[in-house]
Order: sequence, then structure tokens, then C-alpha cells
Amino acid sequence: NAGVTQTPKFQVLKTGQSMTLQCAQDMNHEYMSWYRQDPGMGLRLIHYSVGAGITDQGEVPNGYNVSRSTTEDFPLRLLSAAPSQTSVYFCASSYKREYPGRQETQYFGPGTRLLVL
Amino acid sequence: QKEVEQDPGPLSVPEGAIVSLNCTYSNSAFQYFMWYRQYSRKGPELLMYTYSSGNKEDGRFTAQVDKSSKYISLFIRDSQPSDSATYLCLSYILTGGGNTLPFGTGTQLKVEL
Repeated sequence: NAGVTQTPKFQVLKTGQSMTLQCAQDMNHEYMSWYRQDPGMGLRLIHYSVGAGITDQGEVPNGYNVSRSTTEDFPLRLLSAAPSQTSVYFCASSYKREYPGRQETQYFGPGTRLLVL
Repeated sequence: QKEVEQDPGPLSVPEGAIVSLNCTYSNSAFQYFMWYRQYSRKGPELLMYTYSSGNKEDGRFTAQVDKSSKYISLFIRDSQPSDSATYLCLSYILTGGGNTLPFGTGTQLKVEL
């Protein structure tokens, strides 16, 4: 099991450029999420998905798009990069939170460090 | 106001010290409580998981929940330099929909030789 993988590890963009951050998991998890982590702000949820074809907004969705065409993949798209999007981005996956007693552990990827100039 | 509040630190202790990391939460309906550990330049990983009130012990780590005061604690005994990391707390309600999990901001811990 590779767990949760993210590419690229590091990216530099110019303001206005677009890019896609890739995330894949091989644990057959229903839930997948994207977070950004900034100093003093902790982990903030950008978008999440409860299954293939279903996505929803988190706390800070503006400027980002997601899609979930398969259970395994959950790419995050930056439409027009801004310096405020400089951050570390983490993808996470977990089982569906439905059954009491089942651990809803979120498994995180290694992160993508993004610098927008 | 964030649903989970945590002192960001940094907290610096000597090797062998007992460490106490704390969080407060605002939603009295929260049932599940987790601690994640995040090493520098890595993703967070689950360290401890508790349901409802009480204590849970795992080796040198003890997680404690006091629902009456909405207080979550993580104690580390005989702290080691390898415990140097950021510790994030998390609490939530179990529901069938959504995945909005409020993490604390994390407390940075450094254990010095």
C-alpha cells in the first residue's frame, strides 16, 4: 500500500498561472479532502468528497476547484494563482464516518509546498 | 471563534520531562477526540483516539478528555527528542454526511537533549 500520494512535492508559480495538484489513495477510502496549512492558522479544509462524483466546499474554497471521477483520485485545481495561495497543501483520505466505533482516521499525504510569486 | 482552540507554543522541554498539551473545544456535542502528530515537512498522522470522556493510555502517551469543562489533554511521559513535532488536536460529532473536521492550530513541541 502506497497510502496517500501527492505530486508535485514543491511548485513555484507566477501570479495568474493555473495548475493542478494531484492526490491519489489506494486504500479504497470513500472520503477525500484537501487542506491548506499556514503558520498560526492550522489545517483549513478547502474541499472534500464523500465519494466518486460528489464534492463539497470546506472552509476556504475560493480560488480552488475539485472533481472526483474515481474513488482513487482527487485533484485540486488552482484556477488563477495568487500570492495568498502560497501554502502547504495536504490531501487526506478516510473511511465514511457512519458507524459508531469505527475509527475515522484520516490518512494524510506528504504535502505539496506551493509558492506563488 | 474556532471550534477547537490550542496554544501554538512553541513549547521547549528537557529530555525526560513530562509534557502536557491542551486543547479546548466549544461544541458540547463533540464525541470523538483525536491527537495527530506532525513531524517537520511531513503530513499529520494519528497518534491517539478517544471516544467520550476519560483517559486512554498508549505507552508513554495518555489522552484525557474532560467533557464537563470541554478540555482535551495529551500527556507525554519521559519525553524524547524524537517527540519533537507539532501536535494537533481534533474533535467532532459522528455524522453520516460531510467531512468538516475542526483541527486545532497545533502546538509545536521541542524536546532538547
